[in-house]
Amino acid sequence: DTGVSQDPRHKITKRGQNVTFRCDPISEHNRLYWYRQTLGQGPEFLTYFQNEAQLEKSRLLSDRFSAERPKGSFSTLEIQRTEQGDSAMYLCASSNPTGEVGYTFGSGTRLTVV
Amino acid sequence: AQKVTQAQTEISVVEKEDVTLDCVYETRDTTYYLFWYKQPPSGELVFLIRRNSFDEQNEISGRYSWNFQKSTSSFNFTITASQVVDSAVYFCALSESNSGYALNFGKGTSLLVTP
Repeated sequence: DTGVSQDPRHKITKRGQNVTFRCDPISEHNRLYWYRQTLGQGPEFLTYFQNEAQLEKSRLLSDRFSAERPKGSFSTLEIQRTEQGDSAMYLCASSNPTGEVGYTFGSGTRLTVV
Repeated sequence: AQKVTQAQTEISVVEKEDVTLDCVYETRDTTYYLFWYKQPPSGELVFLIRRNSFDEQNEISGRYSWNFQKSTSSFNFTITASQVVDSAVYFCALSESNSGYALNFGKGTSLLVTP
């Protein structure tokens, strides 16, 4: 297992377009988290899954955002009708249920909305 | 309310100096974890350490050491004999059982080590 993979690494999109990001976690980790990081800030929690169940969503996750983890393996994060304020690095992390084995982060997807 | 406070926004030191990065946290949970991550200019988050709330032993790993004090809700990070390669943004984070153990990050401290 090579760690947490995120695709694409970079995405430039026009305002109003929809975008989808993918995250492949470490296979034995049943928790998967999405975070957003803007310039000069720490990562901010968006949502997390335990297996295929989405257990918590931050208030940062507006109704334009949707995340899925259909088979409890990879996850997708979709942003509809993108806005310039959505420009950020979107990070995925995976862990076991209590984080005792630590959280492994992917390299992120950098979204630029023009 | 900010659960993790890193009051130092930027620190600049000269190589070989010791530097301490401060972290103060807030939680009502009795079971929680504290973390430090390093984010170099390349952008990836590099895990440095995890402590659980029941283990207040200080830890040393090479030039890195961590001081966990529950009485002051602090988890400070010291780099001894800093090197240019230590230049990065360092984040302290808290995970609590009542939030699904999601990481709650501070705003980070940008460390610049100059030759």
